[in-house]
Amino acid sequence: DGGITQSPKYLFRKEGQNVTLSCEQNLNHDAMYWYRQDPGQGLRLIYYSQIVNDFQKGDIAEGYSVSREKKESFPLTVTSAQKNPTAFYLCASSIGEGTAQTQYFGPGTRLLVL
Amino acid sequence: ELKVEQNPLFLSMQEGKNYTIYCNYSTTSDRLYWYRQDPGKSLESLFVLLSNGAVKQEGRLMASLDTKARLSTLHITAAVHDLSATYFCAVGSYNTDKLIFGTGTRLQVFP
Repeated sequence: DGGITQSPKYLFRKEGQNVTLSCEQNLNHDAMYWYRQDPGQGLRLIYYSQIVNDFQKGDIAEGYSVSREKKESFPLTVTSAQKNPTAFYLCASSIGEGTAQTQYFGPGTRLLVL
Repeated sequence: ELKVEQNPLFLSMQEGKNYTIYCNYSTTSDRLYWYRQDPGKSLESLFVLLSNGAVKQEGRLMASLDTKARLSTLHITAAVHDLSATYFCAVGSYNTDKLIFGTGTRLQVFP
């Protein structure tokens, strides 16, 4: 079955620690995205990538980093510079050909600070 | 800067009733999406609307787009409990792959 997987489902971060969230897709999509969702709010774009080895900052990139070494994978690192990381993180992908393609979402990772 | 507003933010409605959720956006866009999110879950794509006057229907949900008014509506017909969820509209930032999401409308359908 084609789809998007995210791991882990829950992640706990200690003060000053960097943590990495995994996102993998087998849909052969070119474009991938990371969003952050805070309780009772909409989604905000962190980073997105339209092609391997290239990515762009979204609206709230500070304190986060990404890489796109493979088409299937787009990991997100939450660095110690992100002072309020507690949130629900969603990864998405789309075909990427043109701007009218639907984004499909993974199941999400919930990040909590200890 | 593209901004997206939804209203109402919270909607409690009785089964069998009809209601409409509104999505307004501030600048020109070439696409609009509706998504559903169940509590603690991911987002599920419902509709994509690409042109003025576009109307899409699936079961008890119907979405429409008026690009001149920069307005999309999600109409619920004869609500049932299974429709209880949060509904988001998302608007495409023109000529980019970015989407800007509304704050969501939390729908609760009771007997």
